Amino acid sequence: DQQVKQNSPSLSVQEGRISILNCDYTNSMFDYFLWYKKYPAEGPTFLISISSIKDKNEDGRFTVFLNKSAKHLSLHIVPSQPGDSAVYFCAARGRADYKLSFGAGTTVTVRA
Amino acid sequence: DGGITQSPKYLFRKEGQNVTLSCEQNLNHDAMYWYRQDPGQGLRLIYYSQIVNDFQKGDIAEGYSVSREKKESFPLTVTSAQKNPTAFYLCASSTLREISPLHFGNGTRLTVT
Repeated sequence: DQQVKQNSPSLSVQEGRISILNCDYTNSMFDYFLWYKKYPAEGPTFLISISSIKDKNEDGRFTVFLNKSAKHLSLHIVPSQPGDSAVYFCAARGRADYKLSFGAGTTVTVRA
Repeated sequence: DGGITQSPKYLFRKEGQNVTLSCEQNLNHDAMYWYRQDPGQGLRLIYYSQIVNDFQKGDIAEGYSVSREKKESFPLTVTSAQKNPTAFYLCASSTLREISPLHFGNGTRLTVT
């Protein structure tokens, strides 16, 4: 049973606009959430994370928002650039657990 | 430069043969992991290890085996018992600090025919 869900398999956005990626989780024990970016035939690279004691974390063009009551997080990319075209994975883990559970990924295409 | 090296990048095997995928890290990380990626699916955990000579099954361990004889190395063997072995395999490592992301290698694409 998938504990981390990304319900949008793809997203197309114009260059310069905002990309919003969504992720839902079911396990209330999750307390650390991450976003990874992946290009084809490469390993995922870590993008940004947030712990459950916060509701927002920002790093340059990337902001992650966490809504614990709704068990929902989102990643905002502003402004979107062509190099942002990739698959984005949401991941989560519990406090005493080092392994991550991943969503199925969202493919982002940034149009010129 | 520190990192995780997976080799080879592409691997082809005949059905019924065991095959071992290599994973080496020089990040001095205690924990290492093997994930599998299939089209349209997220990464699924096969095995993980937090200390030398100890490892635990992940969500899809059937048909796989691992060893952790050295901190730097965590090879994965795909046995003939694995029903659908063709996939993209990813190795990762992390520290054991409470907030610590996984760092991934560039993967091995295994094709079994």
